[in-house]
Amino acid sequence: GAVVSQHPSRVICKSGTSVKIECRSLDFQATTMFWYRQFPKQSLMLMATSNEGSKATYEQGVEKDKFLINHASLTLSTLTVTSAHPEDSSFYICSAGQNSGNTIYFGEGSWLTVV
Amino acid sequence: QKEVEQDPGPLSVPEGAIVSLNCTYSNSAFQYFMWYRQYSRKGPELLMYTYSSGNKEDGRFTAQVDKSSKYISLFIRDSQPSDSATYLCSGGYNKLIFGAGTRLAVHP
Repeated sequence: GAVVSQHPSRVICKSGTSVKIECRSLDFQATTMFWYRQFPKQSLMLMATSNEGSKATYEQGVEKDKFLINHASLTLSTLTVTSAHPEDSSFYICSAGQNSGNTIYFGEGSWLTVV
Repeated sequence: QKEVEQDPGPLSVPEGAIVSLNCTYSNSAFQYFMWYRQYSRKGPELLMYTYSSGNKEDGRFTAQVDKSSKYISLFIRDSQPSDSATYLCSGGYNKLIFGAGTRLAVHP
């Protein structure tokens, strides 16, 4: 069964609104979670590393004020896309590992469509 | 230069063939390597996890890592149509960096 759960699996929002995506580790406590974005037929692009109890580390070119990440507990990280635009439409995927070097599992992904 | 290079394919093979998927990486600090399988419009599914150099076998799948040449391989024996998917290689030390993914099609 899934060890990382992501919700919602699909969301459609209007341009200018914000949308929140949740990532939960089901069978373990995740000190670190990762958020990826994947455009059609392209590979996973790491957006940010979410660390429990501290600020997320964003990859170069990712706007931290636009993609808000909160990792308030050892089992939950959230990604909020603020003031969404159509170009933010993508497949967002989270992954979680117990600590550096351990196996990392992915959530099922969330399809975001901004209209 | 990308940190993980992977031929995007597509790769088309007949059922029963041995499939060889390969990646190279540039960061010598990478300690662990993973192969994921991704079906269309789904999240990636972990196939194989390897720490440092060596081979690892799981059923029809064998993963190889050669850190001296920075080369990662995945072999699929007796390939099946259900193996048709995109295969993503990755390496890392505190975060995973992914290759572009290779699209594999196994035809009956």
